[in-house]
Amino acid sequence: NAGVTQTPKFRILKIGQSMTLQCTQDMNHNYMYWYRQDPGMGLKLIYYSVGAGITDKGEVPNGYNVSRSTTEDFPLRLELAAPSQTSVYFCASWQGTGYEKLFFGSGTQLSVL
Amino acid sequence: QKEVEQNSGPLSVPEGAIASLNCTYSDRGSQSFFWYRQYSGKSPELIMSIYSNGDKEDGRFTAQLNKASQYVSLLIRDSQPSDSATYLCAVRFYGNNRLAFGKGNQVVVIP
Repeated sequence: NAGVTQTPKFRILKIGQSMTLQCTQDMNHNYMYWYRQDPGMGLKLIYYSVGAGITDKGEVPNGYNVSRSTTEDFPLRLELAAPSQTSVYFCASWQGTGYEKLFFGSGTQLSVL
Repeated sequence: QKEVEQNSGPLSVPEGAIASLNCTYSDRGSQSFFWYRQYSGKSPELIMSIYSNGDKEDGRFTAQLNKASQYVSLLIRDSQPSDSATYLCAVRFYGNNRLAFGKGNQVVVIP
């Protein structure tokens, strides 16, 4: 069981470039989340999904897009990267029923210069 | 905007002492409350969940919930250097699939 896998671990982008952060889980979890964490701050929800084909905005969705075509994968797309998107990005998942525990990926450190 | 607030600054405690962390939330109808621990450079991990008013104990950790006052707290007894981390309060708001986090409180346990 790999749990939640995020790639890449580090990335430097130039302003205006685009990229996709990958997230995949092998626990058959229905709920998946993307959070960003700025230095000294908590987690801000970007987007979430409660199942394949269903996504919804979180607190800070501007500048991002997501898709959920399978249960396993929940990629986060950054279009036209800006310095304000410099952050650590975490993907997380949980079953959606029963004991509520988020399983987090190891994070992606993104710098936009 | 529904919020989760953790306003205390870094907390330094001597080894063996009790560390006390507080969190308030804005949505009175919230049902699910969590404490996550995050070591520097790592991802958060769940240490406590609480759903009913009162205390819930798990080893050296005690979570306390008071829905009337809209606060949840975490006590760490017999603090150890390995407890040095940032502790994030999280709340699932009523009728919502989101989990909202506070900004966290850093705890430093001094040997």
